[in-house]
Amino acid sequence: GAGVSQSPSNKVTEKGKDVELRCDPISGHTALYWYRQRLGQGLEFLIYFQGNSAPDKSGLPSDRFSAERTGESVSTLTIQRTQQEDSAVYLCASSLVSDTQYFGPGTRLTVL
Amino acid sequence: TQLLEQSPQFLSIQEGENLTVYCNSSSVFSSLQWYRQEPGEGPVLLVTVVTGGEVKKLKRLTFQFGDARKDSSLHITAAQPGDTGLYLCAGLLYTGRRALTFGSGTRLQVQP
Repeated sequence: GAGVSQSPSNKVTEKGKDVELRCDPISGHTALYWYRQRLGQGLEFLIYFQGNSAPDKSGLPSDRFSAERTGESVSTLTIQRTQQEDSAVYLCASSLVSDTQYFGPGTRLTVL
Repeated sequence: TQLLEQSPQFLSIQEGENLTVYCNSSSVFSSLQWYRQEPGEGPVLLVTVVTGGEVKKLKRLTFQFGDARKDSSLHITAAQPGDTGLYLCAGLLYTGRRALTFGSGTRLQVQP
């Protein structure tokens, strides 16, 4: 498809387990962003990748959160030892440099 | 403390009424964007304003960027049920960080 895709769409996990969330950006988009959206709230920035530059990790809430991106393609957000407060929708966006960010549909994470 | 304050948080109105949503900050933004988000989907960009004092119109929606680039408003004329959704303002700070800073959102419901 032409848009940003994310998988899985829903993930239910038990407290303490690790989870991996995937983002496939729009082809050719050099920038990729991860945001977190708690129920009924705005989006919180987590991490930003731009080409081969060092990622901007300033939004990651703890060292349990990490993300990788392979070149200018797929990105994976990993949350280790999940906690109930990690429950949220995790949104990925991609863009050309300094251009409009296009968002995926998100992954709804529920930690029991 | 939220960097971008949106008000009101919730708004329920009848079809045909007018409404205004506000987005305020003590910080200066290089640009400000308005998004609309529907359940289960990522935010979709409505407009970007970049010049202090700028006014943009999109059919029944009017967007304004404050002269000091610290605030913005979204005015909807003759609201329709199809306008129902979560409206988010988001800005780019002058820090050079490319990730957007989001407001907490305004949930609008338009009753037929």
